[in-house]
Amino acid sequence: QVDLQQWGAGLLKPSQTLSLTCSVFGRSFTGYYWSWIRQSPGKGLEWIGEITPGGRTNYNPSLESRITISVDTSNNQFSMKLTSVTAADSAVYYCASRDWSCTAGNCPSWFDAWGQGSLVNVSS
Amino acid sequence: DIQMTQSPSSLSASIGDRVTITCRASQSINNYLNWYQQRLGKAPKLLIYGASTLQSGVPSRFSGSGSGTDFTLTISSLQPEDSAIYYCQQTYRTPYTSGQGSKLQIK
Repeated sequence: QVDLQQWGAGLLKPSQTLSLTCSVFGRSFTGYYWSWIRQSPGKGLEWIGEITPGGRTNYNPSLESRITISVDTSNNQFSMKLTSVTAADSAVYYCASRDWSCTAGNCPSWFDAWGQGSLVNVSS
Repeated sequence: DIQMTQSPSSLSASIGDRVTITCRASQSINNYLNWYQQRLGKAPKLLIYGASTLQSGVPSRFSGSGSGTDFTLTISSLQPEDSAIYYCQQTYRTPYTSGQGSKLQIK
């Protein structure tokens, strides 16, 4: 049974840095992709970025200049930092694990494990 | 970015009804399409992946179909616990994008 537990500061002022960490239980880091996803009120799921099994990062171009995702495999954790936050960054942030499977070159993937969510409010 | 459009944005149905939600991608995404259920105040829960594969533990009344640009989530016999918002999401190309959600209410 995979379990993701996340934490981090929930109230920030504009221009501060948002930091969140996600602990992973019941799943090895090897072979999976580790993502952050956010959801503004009444909106869909906005993918922020991920770290790959090989330690490479992929970011949403809309956030690429401000986001850093890192992994600490010794503690089974991964983290994100978003700099220079504004009110537009207020949302619920989720960590999530992406699994995948390939058959004859077809490789769909899916997010099958999610953290509980962290409500982040940016206000002066 | 690939745009995902869901319809309807909201719907109301009775217990036992057959319910269908559709999702259209702005370009072909093969079968790289997932469906999630999100209950109020909870994280999304994976229902269907690869457009039609039922996630382990998900009731068999849920099914998915489609390929290319047009996809469908079907609930064969609506139950009270199915009241939620449903999202489709593509993982064909980054940034991974989702629809705006379909809110399902029980009459």
